[in-house]
Amino acid sequence: GESVGLHLPTLSVQEGDNSIINCAYSNSASDYFIWYKQESGKGPQFIIDIRSNMDKRQGQRVTVLLNKTVKHLSLQIAATQPGDSAVYFCAENLPGGNKLVFGAGTILRVKS
Amino acid sequence: DAGITQSPRHKVTETGTPVTLRCHQTENHRYMYWYRQDPGHGLRLIHYSYGVKDTDKGEVSDGYSVSRSKTEDFLLTLESATSSQTSVYFCAISPSPGASYNEQFFGPGTRLTVL
Repeated sequence: GESVGLHLPTLSVQEGDNSIINCAYSNSASDYFIWYKQESGKGPQFIIDIRSNMDKRQGQRVTVLLNKTVKHLSLQIAATQPGDSAVYFCAENLPGGNKLVFGAGTILRVKS
Repeated sequence: DAGITQSPRHKVTETGTPVTLRCHQTENHRYMYWYRQDPGHGLRLIHYSYGVKDTDKGEVSDGYSVSRSKTEDFLLTLESATSSQTSVYFCAISPSPGASYNEQFFGPGTRLTVL
């Protein structure tokens, strides 16, 4: 598959451990945020979203935390599995509602 | 991939030739987007559409044009391909009618190589 980022930060975790992936966003007026997962050779896959009026949202094995004070978003993956290995990136919805701005991404490698 | 297909999936072409990429959706979503993805740049918006015959530019629109003659199809055209347009192109769709929550779903991508 294609390489989506030659110099992306990499997080290596042991299978079964929890993973935390961080993202700094740019616009304090952004009102909606999404985390995507992208496996090699595939399109980005929606994981979880959060609105700016929330600071935490949980899904299946994933939790997103939003800190608007410091414009920071994090994705927590519980009991990380080999199938979680991918590039993860966040996206913020700019005011106006039509466009997303994407972060460059973080590579997650899961060691068995 | 949320009812989104892209064609072709791979294409190799020569500098100066026209190229058209197609995105087809079966979700009846109003918004459609074209992005390119390059190492070190992440996803960058080329053009988007907010309805049939309604399109607008993104941040990297130079050298690209789009058309949307029906809800399900969004075409991206490179009038005269250049090597700098070698990239992976993704189409995305969104059901949100311009409201605050712009949940986008992506197609499988098209790898374009311009020699």
